Order: sequence, then C-alpha cells, then structure tokens
Amino acid sequence: GQQVMQIPQYQHVQEGEDFTTYCNSSTTLSNIQWYKQRPGGHPVFLIQLVKSGEVKKQKRLTFQFGEAKKNSSLHITATQTTDVGTYFCAVAGGTSYGKLTFGQGTILTVHP
Amino acid sequence: NAGVTQTPKFQVLKTGQSMTLQCAQDMNHEYMSWYRQDPGMGLRLIHYSVGAGITDQGEVPNGYNVSRSTTEDFPLRLLSAAPSQTSVYFCASMFWDSPDGYTFGSGTRLTVV
Repeated sequence: GQQVMQIPQYQHVQEGEDFTTYCNSSTTLSNIQWYKQRPGGHPVFLIQLVKSGEVKKQKRLTFQFGEAKKNSSLHITATQTTDVGTYFCAVAGGTSYGKLTFGQGTILTVHP
Repeated sequence: NAGVTQTPKFQVLKTGQSMTLQCAQDMNHEYMSWYRQDPGMGLRLIHYSVGAGITDQGEVPNGYNVSRSTTEDFPLRLLSAAPSQTSVYFCASMFWDSPDGYTFGSGTRLTVV
C-alpha cells in the first residue's frame, strides 16, 4: 500500500515560535490530506491538496504540496497553546480518496 | 445532525471474548472506514467500505470482520479478542471523492485482558 513518512515525530516549541511538519513519499501522490488530533480527541480534517505546487492557507496555517507531488508540509506561524496536538498527513491509495494511509504524526507541544 | 456515532466509548474484554463495535453515520456518506490507533503508530486502516454491500481489507484486517448492510451502519466485529487488539478504534466516513476529508467518530477505547 501507499507509504508516507512524517517528520519530526515530536516538536516542542515556545508559544509564538513557528512550527513545521513534513510528509514525504517515494511515489507520486494523487492527493494529500492533513488532520489534527487534540489530546484525547479524534482526528479532525484540516485540508486536502491535489495540485502540484499547491499552497493553501488557513489563518496561521500554511499547507504546501510539492512540485513533484511527493512531499507536503504544514507550517504554523506564531504557535499558540491551542495548537497543541498531533498533526497527521494522509494519502489516498490509488485513485480513490477514500482508502487513506496515515503518516505516524507529529506531536506538537507548545510551552506558554 | 449527529455525524459519526460510535458505541461503546469504553470496553474491557477478556481474551477470547467476541464483541461488536458499532458505528453509524447520518450524513449519507458512501465511504466508511475503521482505524485503530496505537501509541507511536499513527492510525492504521483495518477495513473500509465504498458503499452498502461492498467491503475491503485495509492494512491490519486479521482478527476483525465487517459488513455493510446499509449506508448508515458499519459495525466492526472482533471474533476472539486478544491483548494485541487493545487499542483505540475510530470509525470515519466521507462522501465519494470528497474534498472535505473524513469525519471521524469520537472513538472506542478497548482493553483486552
């Protein structure tokens, strides 16, 4: 099945610092999704990227899809304590968006 | 609109027992999936379904059965529980090729002793 490597596994930042997590694949991806899971909660969908070189923004969050569609990043500007949680990327198997394989996630801790 | 509803929220089983984790969605989503989440291993796909009557295996299907008799319901059956199945189980649903991703239920925390 589709494999995706997500780094780093953990990230500790001071409130106000920036944060970036990366997803890398050895094969070309049809799309990539990003999810956030708060401690003790369930994953919540953030965004989907499908186009080569695509950049999307949601307030302080910036999502990028690589030109070769083999990697993606999520960048948070000026982290807040509400950003705490695990961020997952997920990629579709084949051409169907439904069969998702998740990366291992990046656990973000924000110190006030 | 309840979204994706999972029951029970918590369950303790003895080794060898069987049980069914329930999942229901009221959004008329075609896709439904079951994932398990273990520390440090992210979310791993157990089984998924693209519509009523159609199911397929994911990454870790052994020890689990599913069926999809209606669009709304996608129960996950543990045939003979083992300690290795101690995990948090999430059910999720989405529209076919939707740009809005999966909607997840709140999860079932299962402990097998």
